[in-house]
Amino acid sequence: AQRVTQPEKLLSVFKGAPVELKCNYSYSGSPELFWYVQYSRQRLQLLLRHISRESIKGFTADLNKGETSFHLKKPFAQEEDSAMYYCALLPYGNKLVFGAGTILRVKS
Amino acid sequence: NAGVTQTPKFRVLKTGQSMTLLCAQDMNHEYMYWYRQDPGMGLRLIHYSVGEGTTAKGEVPDGYNVSRLKKQNFLLGLESAAPSQTSVYFCASRPTGNTEAFFGQGTRLTVV
Repeated sequence: AQRVTQPEKLLSVFKGAPVELKCNYSYSGSPELFWYVQYSRQRLQLLLRHISRESIKGFTADLNKGETSFHLKKPFAQEEDSAMYYCALLPYGNKLVFGAGTILRVKS
Repeated sequence: NAGVTQTPKFRVLKTGQSMTLLCAQDMNHEYMYWYRQDPGMGLRLIHYSVGEGTTAKGEVPDGYNVSRLKKQNFLLGLESAAPSQTSVYFCASRPTGNTEAFFGQGTRLTVV
């Protein structure tokens, strides 16, 4: 079965500190993975996808097939990064599956 | 350009009542999804559709039915609402390929 695990419900860091939001997936095929973000009172929106290997708002994520992980990282957290972050898996069959989400709180 | 629109935004139901949530997208997307968002549970997939006239079960389909008679609309029905269905419901759509999904603004449903 396809599954996405985000072990941390809440991650609290100080402004300027590094951030790592963990995501592990379970899927036997070749995965397509995404990070979505939900800012307060806004819709969920795509932050980045592994296939494009891009950096958005200073965030990056690397797919590690050996560890079945897709952790989201940012070297220096900013207060405006405070939001709910979801890791998502798009397996064959187009059944877009999300993890439980991690709330990131950046303290000043 | 409206994107993905959900109707209604808020609703309070009594146990046993029925209702339909409407999701409409104007981007000609093939795929549409219904999720529920609960604290600590994240987004759980209820049902989804890979094209007009087709639907499939997600992770938590019990108590819900869906229909996709028109490509732009994906309806989620609750035949007999239960307090356990109190949640925030999100609809999403996306085009073919490994592409971005676009979300609606959510519907907050309370069943008393």
